Amino acid sequence: EDKVVQSPLSLVVHEGDTVTLNCSYEVTNFRSLLWYKQEKKAPTFLFMLTSSGIEKKSGRLSSILDKKELFSILNITATQTGDSAVYLCAVKPQGGSEKLVFGKGTKLTVNP
Amino acid sequence: EAQVTQNPRYLITVTGKKLTVTCSQNMNHEYMSWYRQDPGLGLRQIYYSMNVEVTDKGDVPEGYKVSRKEKRNFPLILESPSPNQTSLYFCASSTNRQKNTEAFFGQGTRLTVV
Repeated sequence: EDKVVQSPLSLVVHEGDTVTLNCSYEVTNFRSLLWYKQEKKAPTFLFMLTSSGIEKKSGRLSSILDKKELFSILNITATQTGDSAVYLCAVKPQGGSEKLVFGKGTKLTVNP
Repeated sequence: EAQVTQNPRYLITVTGKKLTVTCSQNMNHEYMSWYRQDPGLGLRQIYYSMNVEVTDKGDVPEGYKVSRKEKRNFPLILESPSPNQTSLYFCASSTNRQKNTEAFFGQGTRLTVV
């Protein structure tokens, strides 16, 4: 069974801190790994990773994939209160369904 | 604006009363799916559709039905809702699998069955 495990489940930091969120996975046939940010309701897309070792970056957020060790990390530098959210990691297996297998998420709280 | 629109956003209903949650996307996406999100369980796929008139079960399909008569719409039907279907529901869409793109999510529907 395909599985995605995120850690930690929750994290409280102060503004300006740097955080690293972890995502490990077990998938029969890997296609891609996606990171989403969920604030009030709808998950919003951050990154999609398909190749090992290539960092994706957007402002203070960055992510990298290690296909050999089956994990990904999401880094947020100089955190702001607006970064407070649940961060979801999902894996897309090969196959016809386009299904996303989600982890349970990491709840990040950034205090002023 | 590219978006996935769900209605209603909030719904309280009684056990056994049939309901439909609508989902519409304006991006001409082939693929659409429904997820439910529960505390401690994360997002789980209910049903998906690869294109018009093509639907299939996801991981937790019991108690749900779907239809895909038009490309843009993918309603979720609960014929006889039960309290264990109280959840936050998301509709998502993406282009065909060959392009391997991200999924876009609707704003969610908070359903309470009493």
